[in-house]
Amino acid sequence: SYELTQPPSVSVSPGQTARITCSGDALAKQYAYWYQQRPGQAPLLVINKDSERPSGIPERFSGSSSGTRVTLTISRVQAEDEADYYCQSADISGAMVFGGGTKLTVL
Amino acid sequence: EVQLVESGGGLVQPGGSLKLSCATSGFSFSGSAMHWVRQASGKGLEYIGHIRSKTNSYATTYAASLKGRFTISRDDSKNTAYLHMNSLKIEDTAMYYCTRYGSTWGQGTLVTVSS
Repeated sequence: SYELTQPPSVSVSPGQTARITCSGDALAKQYAYWYQQRPGQAPLLVINKDSERPSGIPERFSGSSSGTRVTLTISRVQAEDEADYYCQSADISGAMVFGGGTKLTVL
Repeated sequence: EVQLVESGGGLVQPGGSLKLSCATSGFSFSGSAMHWVRQASGKGLEYIGHIRSKTNSYATTYAASLKGRFTISRDDSKNTAYLHMNSLKIEDTAMYYCTRYGSTWGQGTLVTVSS
């Protein structure tokens, strides 16, 4: 199937590490992408092709992949990292498939 | 600098039509597929569809739930992509974004369907 499953919410204290997972059969064959979306803003690509960090994204953001699961890891979490995070992959036609989103709360 | 700027949103009555534009600059528009994504208030990102480049015959793909009401087109001479929306429903109310497969997004244009 081309569904992607994310936890609805993750909470972490400042300075700790946040891990957000995304699961789906498509991830075994297609790259995953991660977006950060702050309230009132457009999505921002933070991880490209499973683990590449686009220019300008802090090194605290990293991505990994294993089989049908991918993980976004945010080290040394800061208050500014509080946002919604979406994973995305593609189906066989090239259509974008999104996870339901994870709200990261910095306690 | 890569830029995408959506326009054309607004208030429309149920059953009405609207055409959104996505003006781009800073990259090879003619060689790029362009995607449209929407987001209802408080909800997640929803794929609408995309249009491929001339090399790929301007082929289009749409979300199954929207096929038939929404059409995507492009004008490479103007570096602009379009989203034509017909038979609009209240549930089509959302922020509409264009994106170059996620690498860059516009700021979005708000469509409100209401009587």
